[in-house]
Amino acid sequence: GNSVTQMEGPVTLSEEAFLTINCTYTATGYPSLFWYVQYPGEGLQLLLKATKADDKGSNKGFEATYRKETTSFHLEKGSVQVSDSAVYFCALRGTSGSRLTFGEGTQLTVNP
Amino acid sequence: EAQVTQNPRYLITVTGKKLTVTCSQNMNHEYMSWYRQDPGLGLRQIYYSMNVEVTDKGDVPEGYKVSRKEKRNFPLILESPSPNQTSLYFCASMGPIRAKGRVQYFGPGTRLLVL
Repeated sequence: GNSVTQMEGPVTLSEEAFLTINCTYTATGYPSLFWYVQYPGEGLQLLLKATKADDKGSNKGFEATYRKETTSFHLEKGSVQVSDSAVYFCALRGTSGSRLTFGEGTQLTVNP
Repeated sequence: EAQVTQNPRYLITVTGKKLTVTCSQNMNHEYMSWYRQDPGLGLRQIYYSMNVEVTDKGDVPEGYKVSRKEKRNFPLILESPSPNQTSLYFCASMGPIRAKGRVQYFGPGTRLLVL
């Protein structure tokens, strides 16, 4: 079946540091890949997505590239802010289905 | 405003007392789903519905029921809650399969504590 593995957290960074959160997946065919963000006390919001190999999703300074050869979808941001503190979830949706499979989530804390 | 709403947002109950968490969406979405979020486990799907009167089990359906009598509503029912159902619950909805790049929209969450 499908699965998603995220780097273990929590991750603590200083403001303006570079962020990478690793995400790898196992799936047959060509899944769609997503990053969701959960701010404290809130629900999940879509951060970015990519629906085919080599696509790059981007939003709010975050980027992730769909790498089929390494089955990865790592999240990056060049300069994090305190307001980026949240839990980040990598997820995939299989080729023919509607179900989302989530990673464990990575807690990011950015200190001023 | 397009949104998914859940009620209640917070609930404390006791073992065995039936409860219902409501979910409603105003986007005319066919697909709806319930997840639970637990530390270290991410989100796991409980039940989902492809359309009215069509529901199916997700990864962790034990102890839960759902119904889909109307397109906009997808309530989650715990007939006899137990402490291991203490969790944060999310409802989500999504547009039709034929829509390209479709995305799941999540509600704000319901935090449930079963004593």
